[in-house]
Amino acid sequence: DSGVTQTPKHLITATGQRVTLRCSPRSGDLSVYWYQQSLDQGLQFLIQYYNGEERAKGNILERFSAQQFPDLHSELNLSSLELGDSALYFCASSVELSDTGELFFGEGSRLTVL
Amino acid sequence: GENVEQHPSTLSVQEGDSAVIKCTYSDSASNYFPWYKQELGKRPQLIIDIRSNVGEKKDQRIAVTLNKTAKHFSLHITETQPEDSAVYFCAANSGAGSYQLTFGKGTKLSVIP
Repeated sequence: DSGVTQTPKHLITATGQRVTLRCSPRSGDLSVYWYQQSLDQGLQFLIQYYNGEERAKGNILERFSAQQFPDLHSELNLSSLELGDSALYFCASSVELSDTGELFFGEGSRLTVL
Repeated sequence: GENVEQHPSTLSVQEGDSAVIKCTYSDSASNYFPWYKQELGKRPQLIIDIRSNVGEKKDQRIAVTLNKTAKHFSLHITETQPEDSAVYFCAANSGAGSYQLTFGKGTKLSVIP
């Protein structure tokens, strides 16, 4: 158990819908990262927050948004869903703002868009 | 931005043999190279990492080598065991102050008993 909690574990929805994925980082971790894992695409970095502020942005679509709340949990909002958004979405956390630190991943939220 | 290429995409070895996975990166400013292991249906977990001021690092049966000039790094697993079967991802940051890790597409390692 990494200490990172993600909900829901599984989510099935239809095209055009909107979903919210939630992540609680390890106790004491201030940095939260979101990654998308699709078949054959490895782990794609989406966005990173540190202590409530956005710190790095990857190839995150405009239909996706995220935020980190004062209690340090984070939410990833996916809207106008398309079939291609079906993937495993991982949240990870780390202790501090570091360019060389270990990431602790949650178990992921598997999104299926029908 | 950083681009990380990983080879091979699949690898099968006999139990007890060695396995080598290779990665190349594009950004010469990258200074941190971790390797993550993801077992089937599980989360990725860090198994070893190396920083750019070191050429090699070992941890029991696992070792990582880094060639900064050629911009490639490799994972070596010796005396493989069935529990080593998993998908392995290499990654690289984009230099000091970069919090974004770019991952390779993964290598599925199968260790045949």
